[in-house]
Amino acid sequence: NAGVMQNPRHLVRRRGQEARLRCSPMKGHSHVYWYRQLPEEGLKFMVYLQKENIIDESGMPKERFSAEFPKEGPSILRIQQVVRGDSAAYFCASSQPGAPGANVLTFGAGSRLTVL
Amino acid sequence: EDQVTQSPEALRLQEGESSSLNCSYTVSGLRGLFWYRQDPGKGPEFLFTLYSAGEEKEKERLKATLTKKESFLHITAPKPEDSATYLCAVQANHNQGGKLIFGQGTELSVKP
Repeated sequence: NAGVMQNPRHLVRRRGQEARLRCSPMKGHSHVYWYRQLPEEGLKFMVYLQKENIIDESGMPKERFSAEFPKEGPSILRIQQVVRGDSAAYFCASSQPGAPGANVLTFGAGSRLTVL
Repeated sequence: EDQVTQSPEALRLQEGESSSLNCSYTVSGLRGLFWYRQDPGKGPEFLFTLYSAGEEKEKERLKATLTKKESFLHITAPKPEDSATYLCAVQANHNQGGKLIFGQGTELSVKP
């Protein structure tokens, strides 16, 4: 079991470019969560998705950020027109309600975005 | 508003010097309280889940306890490899799925 896979691990973008971060959940997991960790700050919830559905996006900035989890393929967090304040580590987690330990989120290693 | 506060922000211990980390929480209907460990450059690694006041769980040198307002992570005779940031988080009944609200973390450093 490869766990939660995130890529790229490191991404450098210039202001105004787009960043796309990918997350493949653990095998058998169909629920995905994205968190952001700013320097010297804690993990902040961004969005909760199930296959083809956004369940809770209460932590997503209103502009420039979007997330999807298609029927096939990884979940993608997309940041348009990046600014320096978007520089952070973005973590993906997955879970599978109904399975043993269902409410435990398993995290990936994160994608570290640097905006120049 | 659901809130988690951890103290201290940083803790330095000598190897073998036992101590405790605190996690105070305010949540409307606690579904579960979680402890994770995070090493530099890595994602959080699950340690424990506690569901009700009075519950305790142990794993090697770590023991987590829960009351109605706070949780403690007790570290007995720590070793340098226990150095990490320890994160506390809560799940609330009013949230869908497994959404976690995290505290700021306690950065633990254990010197040989």
